[in-house]
Amino acid sequence: QKEVEQDPGPLSVPEGAIVSLNCTYSNSAFQYFMWYRQYSRKGPELLMYTYSSGNKEDGRFTAQVDKSSKYISLFIRDSQPSDSATYLCAMSTSGNTGKLIFGQGTTLQVKP
Amino acid sequence: DGGITQSPKYLFRKEGQNVTLSCEQNLNHDAMYWYRQDPGQGLRLIYYSQIVNDFQKGDIAEGYSVSREKKESFPLTVTSAQKNPTAFYLCASTRQAGSDQPQHFGDGTRLSIL
Repeated sequence: QKEVEQDPGPLSVPEGAIVSLNCTYSNSAFQYFMWYRQYSRKGPELLMYTYSSGNKEDGRFTAQVDKSSKYISLFIRDSQPSDSATYLCAMSTSGNTGKLIFGQGTTLQVKP
Repeated sequence: DGGITQSPKYLFRKEGQNVTLSCEQNLNHDAMYWYRQDPGQGLRLIYYSQIVNDFQKGDIAEGYSVSREKKESFPLTVTSAQKNPTAFYLCASTRQAGSDQPQHFGDGTRLSIL
């Protein structure tokens, strides 16, 4: 079993829809949680970064962490065609190496 | 502009050949990382370096080598011992190694076999 599981999709939604992307994990020591967006043939771009449980909002994006369920989510409101990309979740423990464990990535397509 | 520059964007390797991928950052970051990305497998850590002249193996270091002689540079060599080198290679950096520091990525090098 992988430490981090993420449904690869693809997920296709109409423009303006609310998108929910999710990851589950098995290691209860994970403390730091990230969401990256990756366009085709580009490097991942950091979208959201949270510590421990709770919610964080940035514009149209909301990240949620539920440590009791070992489950994290990224919500995208009013989705746009420019949101079409692969979304990667990543997480790490509180050690000092900074090693990240990534999910497989979910491919999202927002249709105009 | 500050950032991470990876070169070349595309690279082809012949059988038995070693190739070196370049990663340069002008962010004054201490820690640098190399990942490999394959379709459907996410990113996997090859090597990382927390400080100049020091580096550690990641989860899939076999067939790869690195050096960290300068703070801003962390080249990755894909050796002939790596039998399945075709992948997208990503370099990342953080201000200092530690879990409260998010990693920032370059735009990758795509390596293929001739």
